[in-house]
Amino acid sequence: EAGVTQFPSHSVIEKGQTVTLRCDPISGHDNLYWYRRVMGKEIKFLLHFVKESKQDESGMPNNRFLAERTGGTYSTLKVQPAELEDSGVYFCASSRPGGYGYTFGSGTRLTVV
Amino acid sequence: QQQVKQSPQSLIVQKGGIPIINCAYENTAFDYFPWYQQFPGKGPALLIAIRPDVSEKKEGRFTISFNKSAKQFSLHIMDSQPGDSATYFCAATVYSSASKIIFGSGTRLSIRP
Repeated sequence: EAGVTQFPSHSVIEKGQTVTLRCDPISGHDNLYWYRRVMGKEIKFLLHFVKESKQDESGMPNNRFLAERTGGTYSTLKVQPAELEDSGVYFCASSRPGGYGYTFGSGTRLTVV
Repeated sequence: QQQVKQSPQSLIVQKGGIPIINCAYENTAFDYFPWYQQFPGKGPALLIAIRPDVSEKKEGRFTISFNKSAKQFSLHIMDSQPGDSATYFCAATVYSSASKIIFGSGTRLSIRP
């Protein structure tokens, strides 16, 4: 079983630019989650998809962040325009329908300069 | 407001020692307490988890102790090895709803040979 794939693994962009992160969950995993870890702090929840629907987006910081999940498969997280405080590691995770047991991807390290 | 508090932030132990990482939570609705292990460049991976109806759970060299009345739980690593060097996160969630996980801030553990 292939794991959760995220890319790019690293991204360095200038303040004000746009960046799009992608996550490919494990096949058959209806639940897809985005989390973020800012340097040295806890890993914080951003949002949860069930198939293509947003189940919970209470953790999204502001309207500069837009998440989509096309056809209930892969997901993208766009930051537009990026700010310095958006720097951190963005993790994606997926799990089976109705289930627990997250599998995390390796993350995308975003640096905004 | 941090719902799961974790300490210490970093820990150095000699090989064979028993590192202990402590966590406390606030929300009594939480009923599933996983620990994640993260190696550099990788995503968090589920290590061991406990439900509040038991006070202790062991899996190999890893043990969780749980105190429901105090709303505290801890991870002990017996006979620690250099390969256990990683960042450890405690977490809490409501198991039945596949809902978001609330993470602690992480403990960077280093086991010296």
